[in-house]
Amino acid sequence: EVQLVESGGGLVQPGGSLRLSCAASGFTFSSYAMTWVRQAPGMGLDWVSTITYSLGTYYADSVEGRFTISRDNSKNTLYLQMDSLRAEDTAVYYCVRGGGSSSFLSWGQGTLLTVSS
Amino acid sequence: EIVLTQSPATLSLSPGERATLSCRASQSVGYYLHWYQQKRGQAPRLLIYDASNRATGLPARFSGSGSGTDFTLTISSLEPEDFAVYYCQQRSNWPLTFGGGTKVEIK
Repeated sequence: EVQLVESGGGLVQPGGSLRLSCAASGFTFSSYAMTWVRQAPGMGLDWVSTITYSLGTYYADSVEGRFTISRDNSKNTLYLQMDSLRAEDTAVYYCVRGGGSSSFLSWGQGTLLTVSS
Repeated sequence: EIVLTQSPATLSLSPGERATLSCRASQSVGYYLHWYQQKRGQAPRLLIYDASNRATGLPARFSGSGSGTDFTLTISSLEPEDFAVYYCQQRSNWPLTFGGGTKVEIK
């Protein structure tokens, strides 16, 4: 069974930093692109970033230069380093298997990031 | 950026009725259009990939059609568990984009 478990969310002040993690299991992690998708409270889905199996990275304009996606295939873990956080980054962040050359195949339960003073 | 426009925003139907959801792209996405369902308080889940392919285990009452710029998700006979929000998403071009969603609510 595919499992994606996010961690690292919480309350951060504007301008602060945080790193999200996603522990993956139940599939060959290194063979899949992985993606972060977010959802602000009461709003729709918003693609954030994708890292391919070959380590190519893609970012939404809204986070380019502030967020960094990475992966550790030896630990089956996906990361999202978030710097210079803004109030508008407040959202549930979902870890997703797939992206780019495939649909979003499997989703974690999400971790909530709140950016507020 | 490819903009996906979903209509209607809200669909009020009764169990057993047919639901027809639309997703229109601002430029052609070929067949690279997917559909997701999100129930309240839950993560989204994949329903249809590449316009018309059902995800593993998806009931046959769900079907997808379309290509280019116009796509449809059809639920042939609504079950109580189908009342949710549905999103389309394209993978034809970066950035990946989602539609704004259609809420299917109980009438």
